[in-house]
Amino acid sequence: VQLVESGGGLVKPGGSLRLSCAASGFTFSSYGMVWVRQAPGKGLEWVAFISYGGSDGYYADSVKGRFTISRDNPKNSLYLQLNSLRAEDTAMYYCASCGNYGGHYPFDYWGQGTLVTVSA
Amino acid sequence: DIQMTQSPASLSASVGDSVTITCRASQSISTYLNWYQQKPGKAPKFLIYTASTLQSGVPSRFSGSGSGTDFTLTISSLQPEDFATYYCQQTYAAPYTFTFGQGTKVEIK
Repeated sequence: VQLVESGGGLVKPGGSLRLSCAASGFTFSSYGMVWVRQAPGKGLEWVAFISYGGSDGYYADSVKGRFTISRDNPKNSLYLQLNSLRAEDTAMYYCASCGNYGGHYPFDYWGQGTLVTVSA
Repeated sequence: DIQMTQSPASLSASVGDSVTITCRASQSISTYLNWYQQKPGKAPKFLIYTASTLQSGVPSRFSGSGSGTDFTLTISSLQPEDFATYYCQQTYAAPYTFTFGQGTKVEIK
């Protein structure tokens, strides 16, 4: 299993960015996927979830209305559109697979992360 | 929303020691509790699910227990590679929300 994020960078407050996650080594279309972020020196924060088919998406309150999660199953790719960015969105963003372990849904595989910095 | 509280925030221990980290949920989450390990500059690694089931390949010195609101992660006989930050996570409310504890840093004494 491999998850490789890209698209991070420096962006001004109020700006936008689109993160991508390329998946390989598993049947991508069978798994829910998530984005998790980690601000510098801080803990993990779940950001968004998307169902295996892409029809359902759920968000943390801190990003609701500003971020959009999507996926392209034929391309084995996951995306996160970040709009109206704030300084507090500065973080490493990880994509992860949401495994199904008998009805439990841990984040079983993680990418290496892509860094988003929001600063003027 | 379900809140997850870990204690302690950090601890110091020596190689060979046994350490226990506690995670408390703000409401009952049955056994919908996972543990992760994160080393500096690395992505988190999935260790335990359903509160006590080790993910494949995780050494048996790691163990988890608990149900309802109170959970523990125990590392018996700490090894040098175990010094890291550990996070608990609830998936009781999945997929609407997934909450992590604030983390416990295990440092070398």
